[in-house]
Order: sequence, then C-alpha cells, then structure tokens
Amino acid sequence: DTAVSQTPKYLVTQMGNDKSIKCEQNLGHDTMYWYKQDSKKFLKIMFSYNNKELIINETVPNRFSPKSPDKAHLNLHINSLELGDSAVYFCASSRGLAYGELFFGEGSRLTVL
Amino acid sequence: AQTVTQSQPEMSVQEAETVTLSCTYDTSESDYYLFWYKQPPSRQMILVIRQEAYKQQNATENRFSVNFQKAAKSFSLKISDSQLGDAAMYFCAYRETSGSRLTFGEGTQLTVNP
Repeated sequence: DTAVSQTPKYLVTQMGNDKSIKCEQNLGHDTMYWYKQDSKKFLKIMFSYNNKELIINETVPNRFSPKSPDKAHLNLHINSLELGDSAVYFCASSRGLAYGELFFGEGSRLTVL
Repeated sequence: AQTVTQSQPEMSVQEAETVTLSCTYDTSESDYYLFWYKQPPSRQMILVIRQEAYKQQNATENRFSVNFQKAAKSFSLKISDSQLGDAAMYFCAYRETSGSRLTFGEGTQLTVNP
C-alpha cells in the first residue's frame, strides 16, 4: 500500500489548459503539503493544509488552487497553464504541524508545451 | 526566514569509501528538526536520517551518520562503505518544531564510482 499517492505521475498539456493533480495519504496524518521542484531540482513549498485548513500559502500565482475535501486528500488545480509551470509537483504529509518528517508521494511531472 | 545551504553541488566517491556531504542553516530558533533526504533517479524523496536539535547525540542509521554542530549551525551527512545504490541527489532540510514548513537546501548530487 502506497502511503502517499499522487495521480497522474506524468502530465503533458498545452499552454492555456487547466489541469488537476490528486493526492491521497493513508497514514492518518493531519497535515498535507504541495511542493514544487523546478528544473534545477530546487524544492519549494507551495501550500500546507492542517485538518483541511489552509496553513501556508506561499507566493504562488492565484492560478494555483489547492483543495482539501478531507484530511486524507489534497488536490491541486492549475488554471491557464504557462510554460513556467513545467516542474515536478510533490505531495507530502506529516503527523501534524510540528511533528517530524514529511512523507512524500512519487511526484507528478507536469510538462506544458 | 530560515535558510539551508549546501555548498557542494556535486560530489563523487569510490565504492566502499566514505563521503561527507555538508549543510549549514540559519535560524534563531533553539528547537527544530534537521533531515537528510535522498532523491534517486526514480524521483522518490526518501528520508535518510533525522536529528532533533535538543538531542546532543548525533543520529545514526546503519551506514549513514550525521555530525550535528548546533552552535555552528552545521549538519553534515557521512556515508560509510558507499554503495552504487547511494548515488542520488541529497537534500538537507530544516523544520521548526513550532511550524509546518520544511525548508530544503539546493541539493548535492552524489556519484558513486565502481
């Protein structure tokens, strides 16, 4: 059983399209995250939710909208995709806001043409 | 804001040898967590080792150990008896105990030569 799973793993789309990435964790964790890894492999936090409540909202274009229907799921919707949105997007979870390590999904590679 | 710096973009080591990856961080907090994550070509982020700042003893996980120097804000990773499967990008990361953000360094690409 995969602890943190993301779908799709790969996504190729045209500029201007809208796409979503889904994330689910079966660890019973309270806190979930979205991270973006750019072409230089740098990892930067985008959003964090704790028990479905938005805790961290970094300087991310408002074309990116996270949604947490319950504490086991955190989805990322991206409107009007741009070339610069091409990256690997990682979902992660942790037991709570201040508990130890994050557990990561396998990442979703988004390519915008 | 907390920052994490890995000054070695690339490192290489011979199989069975020992290598040390460097990491420094900047914080005004006294209690926090430090981690090393490994990212092989498969892209998966794998936790290698963790250290709580309040613990003076350096963490060890099999062939992986850290040298945690709190006053110097330094957190290096030592890999002993390097194996081909250790080849990966290694990220140092910092997390406050009072917040949820995990901040990463830029990464060190480790090559293991047979």
